[in-house]
Amino acid sequence: GDSVTQTEGPVTLSEGTSLTVNCSYETKQYPTLFWYVQYPGEGPQLLFKVPKANEKGSSRGFEATYNKEATSFHLQKASVQESDSAVYYCALSDRDNNNRIFFGDGTQLVVKP
Amino acid sequence: DPKIIQKPKYLVAVTGSEKILICEQYLGHNAMYWYRQSAKKPLEFMFSYSYQKLMDNQTASSRFQPQSSKKNHLDLQITALKPDDSATYFCASSHDWGFYAEQFFGPGTRLTVL
Repeated sequence: GDSVTQTEGPVTLSEGTSLTVNCSYETKQYPTLFWYVQYPGEGPQLLFKVPKANEKGSSRGFEATYNKEATSFHLQKASVQESDSAVYYCALSDRDNNNRIFFGDGTQLVVKP
Repeated sequence: DPKIIQKPKYLVAVTGSEKILICEQYLGHNAMYWYRQSAKKPLEFMFSYSYQKLMDNQTASSRFQPQSSKKNHLDLQITALKPDDSATYFCASSHDWGFYAEQFFGPGTRLTVL
């Protein structure tokens, strides 16, 4: 079945440093890939989605490239801010599983000033 | 104004009782979903509906019953509650039902079963 594996958290960084959260996925189909962000006490919010292989998604300075060969979708940001502290979820959806979204376990990011 | 409303925000129940979690969306979406978030499984899909029709059910137990009285409503009835049901339940919606669809999540209902 489908699965998503991502960097185990927490990841603690200082403001201004760069971020990489690794995400690998398994599926027999051609999925749409997502990154969601969840702040304390709120529901997950879509950061961006990428429906096609070899394309890049980006939002708020975060970006990820859909790498079909490596089955990866790593999240990167060049310079994190304290306000980026949250839990980040890599996720996928495909036709074979009735379009439901499979989420990774989440990576908590803590950014210190 | 919040676009997806979930009520109540917090809910405490005793083992064996029954509760209904309310979800309403004002995004004009045609598909709605329920997810569960607990310490054991961070975000787990439960149900999906499209135009008030059940599309997918990944919940093994019949104690969980979604109810859609209107296109923008999808409530979740849970019967014979167990402590293991303690979790935050998120309602979500998307414009259409499809694997490319962006799902928007509500703020959640945190359920504690004693």
